[in-house]
Amino acid sequence: AQSVTQLGSHVSVSEGALVLLRCNYSSSVPPYLFWYVQYPNQGLQLLLKYTSAATLVKGINGFEAEFKKSETSFHLTKPSAHMSDAAEYFCAVSESTGFQKLVFGTGTRLLVSP
Amino acid sequence: DTGVSQDPRHKITKRGQNVTFRCDPISEHNRLYWYRQTLGQGPEFLTYFQNEAQLEKSRLLSDRFSAERPKGSFSTLEIQRTEQGDSAMYLCASRPGTVNTEAFFGQGTRLTVV
Repeated sequence: AQSVTQLGSHVSVSEGALVLLRCNYSSSVPPYLFWYVQYPNQGLQLLLKYTSAATLVKGINGFEAEFKKSETSFHLTKPSAHMSDAAEYFCAVSESTGFQKLVFGTGTRLLVSP
Repeated sequence: DTGVSQDPRHKITKRGQNVTFRCDPISEHNRLYWYRQTLGQGPEFLTYFQNEAQLEKSRLLSDRFSAERPKGSFSTLEIQRTEQGDSAMYLCASRPGTVNTEAFFGQGTRLTVV
């Protein structure tokens, strides 16, 4: 079975500050890992994905994440927050084979203040 | 627009009524998933289709729920005898059959049962 834990249901940063959203996963098989962003009443948009290639993954809008197998983590970072980054962020895990359904964390709401 | 399309975007229904949602995946995506997202939670997997075959169903999918994907194209999700607990956002996602690919999500259908 797979699971995802996102520490912190809400994270507040000032515009221009570092963004760090934490994600830890559990998987009995080699995982694929994803970060999605969701704006109010919208679907999910992929920010970035780890599919067993480079452990440091760069995504859209300046976000990146590092896969650390020893820590079972896949934290999302952005050097400088922008007001438009305010949204809900979901970390998800899937198996690398088979049906590859996504198992999501409970999400972290990012608040950006001026 | 060549993304995943869901219809309707919003549905308000009275308890006990039946509702049906439609999902049009990205063309040539043979994999299709349905997820349910309740307020403040991450999406939870409901069911998976590969072409027209329904290959996996979550235990969340009670016998009041049924999904189809005739001819491996669009999919429908029907809920019979709706209950207030069915109120949620229903998300559809599709992906190609090749490895190292991500799922693309639709905008979702928000169901409110009154």
